[in-house]
Amino acid sequence: QVQLVQSGAEVKKPGASVKISCKASGYTFTTYYIHWVRQAPGQGLEWMGIINPSGGTTTYAQKFQGRITMTRDTSTSTVYMELSSLRLEDTAVYSCARDRVTTVANPDALDIWGRGTMVTVSS
Amino acid sequence: DIQMTQSPSSLSASVGDRVIITCRASQSISSNLNWYQEKPGKAPKLLIHAASSLESGVPSRFSGSRSGTDFTLTINSLQPEDFATYYCQQSYTDFAFGPGTKVDIK
Repeated sequence: QVQLVQSGAEVKKPGASVKISCKASGYTFTTYYIHWVRQAPGQGLEWMGIINPSGGTTTYAQKFQGRITMTRDTSTSTVYMELSSLRLEDTAVYSCARDRVTTVANPDALDIWGRGTMVTVSS
Repeated sequence: DIQMTQSPSSLSASVGDRVIITCRASQSISSNLNWYQEKPGKAPKLLIHAASSLESGVPSRFSGSRSGTDFTLTINSLQPEDFATYYCQQSYTDFAFGPGTKVDIK
């Protein structure tokens, strides 16, 4: 079955960077977009960006421009999201999610989600 | 940036009630609007895409509609498993979510 398996929880100090992985299985990795979404404790969902695993092209939410980098490794069917210059308010659960349409079309909606990775930023 | 608002921010309802949640976009997003259901400790679940297309396996008591830049999610005959938080999301430019509507038990 289609699965997205994320890396484990992280604790970071302010100013540091975090890199989270999202390993896809059960489908052809390069044929579906992957999104990243975060949710701070008690808060709503926040879309961070999207990567096309086929060519590696990315689009980031304006809020994260300059601090976020999404990459992929097609040999391991893994997408990575790195967030730098971490602040206390970056404490959140970070989730990857697959788009419902293939990369031959424009991305559409998020239908398969990973279980999330808790990132805690604390001094 | 396109801003998404939702109303109400929360509501209390009883099993069997009809619930309507509204999402408004600050400018035209065509029908590029999705609805998700989120329960504590679980990943969000896509209910509806393209404003009114029900995802496979989602009960037919859920429906979505559009009128201009206003979108509604309707739950007919609310069931115990429907108590959750619901988010709209536009996919016209980026994929910004609305702030969410929490549906709890009256």
